[in-house]
Amino acid sequence: NAGVTQTPKFQVLKTGQSMTLQCAQDMNHEYMSWYRQDPGMGLRLIHYSVGAGITDQGEVPNGYNVSRSTTEDFPLRLLSAAPSQTSVYFCASSYTWGSGNTIYFGEGSWLTVV
Amino acid sequence: GQQVMQIPQYQHVQEGEDFTTYCNSSTTLSNIQWYKQRPGGHPVFLIQLVKSGEVKKQKRLTFQFGEAKKNSSLHITATQTTDVGTYFCAGPNNAGNMLTFGGGTRLMVKP
Repeated sequence: NAGVTQTPKFQVLKTGQSMTLQCAQDMNHEYMSWYRQDPGMGLRLIHYSVGAGITDQGEVPNGYNVSRSTTEDFPLRLLSAAPSQTSVYFCASSYTWGSGNTIYFGEGSWLTVV
Repeated sequence: GQQVMQIPQYQHVQEGEDFTTYCNSSTTLSNIQWYKQRPGGHPVFLIQLVKSGEVKKQKRLTFQFGEAKKNSSLHITATQTTDVGTYFCAGPNNAGNMLTFGGGTRLMVKP
């Protein structure tokens, strides 16, 4: 059981480049989300999805796009990378949404924008 | 919007000493969750508290949910080097579709 799988683990981008962080879960979870983690700022929600075909914005959505064409996959797209997007990105999933659902995190993707 | 704050941001302790981190929400929470993140790792779920005044224990870890369901604490008795990491609390918004994390408390333990 792989859980939540993120790729790539490390990436260096030049300012203005675009890229996609991949996320897949094999637990048939309805709810998926993307967080970014910056020193001293905890985890901040970028986008989330409560099911296939449904996405919504979190706290810090600017500069990022998501889609949810299948239950399993939830890719995060950086349209035109900026140095402010240098961060560690975590994909997460839970069985459903609503209070009380444990969130399972992927191992993280370390992104540097130069 | 909803804010979740944690103190302290950092804590150095000698192995064997106790440790406590405090979590405060700007809104009443339906539940609160605690996560641990080891250095270089990803957050891992520890526990969820739901009831007002609830206290739960996991070996040397004691979790408490405040009576007003706006604050929580995690207390570790007799810390060990394996306790090193960052501890996060997190609470859902009213709709339950977003989880807001506190800034975390980074625990460092000197052997």
